[in-house]
Amino acid sequence: KNQVEQSPQSLIILEGKNCTLQCNYTVSPFSNLRWYKQDTGRGPVSLTIMTFSENTKSNGRYTATLDADTKQSSLHITASQLSDSASYICVVSPNDYKLSFGAGTTVTVRA
Amino acid sequence: DAGVIQSPRHEVTEMGQEVTLRCKPISGHNSLFWYRQTMMRGLELLIYFNNNVPIDDSGMPEDRFSAKMPNASFSTLKIQPSEPRDSAVYFCASGGISWNTEAFFGQGTRLTVV
Repeated sequence: KNQVEQSPQSLIILEGKNCTLQCNYTVSPFSNLRWYKQDTGRGPVSLTIMTFSENTKSNGRYTATLDADTKQSSLHITASQLSDSASYICVVSPNDYKLSFGAGTTVTVRA
Repeated sequence: DAGVIQSPRHEVTEMGQEVTLRCKPISGHNSLFWYRQTMMRGLELLIYFNNNVPIDDSGMPEDRFSAKMPNASFSTLKIQPSEPRDSAVYFCASGGISWNTEAFFGQGTRLTVV
């Protein structure tokens, strides 16, 4: 069973609208949680990295939240743009190099 | 910095042939990872190097897979002989001093074995 579960699997939103992606994890111990954006045909690019002591971090129109007690994280995209169409991957780092990857949420932004 | 550079971007080969994927990590990075991405299994760690030394190769699927890092600026992943089930996107990523720093991914090599 995957230790990082993401939802929804995919979503479609209209340009300019907001959306929130969810990530639940069971990885323990926990060092940090990362959100990556992966455009089609490209490598993943880091959006945010949060340690267990951080509960929110922003990167432009992207805001990630973390609740280490409930082992949940979310990624909020504000005022979506066509360029936000991508797969968003939640990645949890335990106390070693073996990152646990979620399956990703595919976001499609339509004009 | 040009980021992590992988070559080739695309590779189509016949079953049984040898395939070599190449990676140039970001200068100054001590950690290097090879990942494989498929629709079914997502991203999987194949091997992790630190300071050019293989630390963990437990993710390498079979003896057909081998990886080397002869110096800090170059790594290869070799598949010999290749099989259709090896078809995937292979990513190289590099990071700072330790495994816990941010990892930067290359653009990947899309391998198709026919």
